[in-house]
Amino acid sequence: DIQMTQSPSSLSASVGDRVTISCRASQSITIHQSIGSYLNWYQQKPGKAPRLLIYAASTLQSGVPSRFSGSGSGTDFTLTISGLQPEDFATYYCQHSYNTPLAFGGGTKVEIK
Amino acid sequence: QVQLVQSVAEVKRPGASVKVPCKTSGYTFTGHQIHWVRQAPGQGLEWMGWITPNTGGTDYARKFQGRVTMTADTSMNTAYMELNRLRSDDTAVYFCARSSSPQWEPGNYFDFWGQGTLVTVSS
Repeated sequence: DIQMTQSPSSLSASVGDRVTISCRASQSITIHQSIGSYLNWYQQKPGKAPRLLIYAASTLQSGVPSRFSGSGSGTDFTLTISGLQPEDFATYYCQHSYNTPLAFGGGTKVEIK
Repeated sequence: QVQLVQSVAEVKRPGASVKVPCKTSGYTFTGHQIHWVRQAPGQGLEWMGWITPNTGGTDYARKFQGRVTMTADTSMNTAYMELNRLRSDDTAVYFCARSSSPQWEPGNYFDFWGQGTLVTVSS
């Protein structure tokens, strides 16, 4: 089974900051550079369902602000928020969809400094 | 618009069963898999399995095999997740999520989610 590890587990940041969240898979989840990586990112606010932000490591879901971006390949991936906004304070999860069982990272809670 | 609507909450005794519905609308039900994900209080997300409504095919996480059954009623556009022999550590919010794909394939993602059903297991 593929394990997903996120870091940090929490961070404090201010509005306007650039924030990066890391996600590491226990084995490569990239099939081929031209096909892409099977890595998705979700945002979850308290008491709400997760919301898809990015799929295939770097493709922005429709309606998601362009300040969110994803990168990486192989086993190492990054979610970047460029210019943190008040509505971005939430918990972020990575998830692989390479095979079953699917798995999520442990989450990164972004808090207000 | 795409919607997945779940019941709000269930309270069950240890050893009982719970069947959580996920009523969908706004899209072709048989055109997308439904996955189930749970979240214990204060914890992260845990994948439980999927069902392909078109065929009834399922795949469950090893942890839940023998205790979970996922079904789909195509006449009602509704998916169900039944968990048996409930324990206190099954207390969690259970989410259904629509997959981007009609059948299992690598690279799928969850583009729409239900609001979650809180299942509390307590004596």
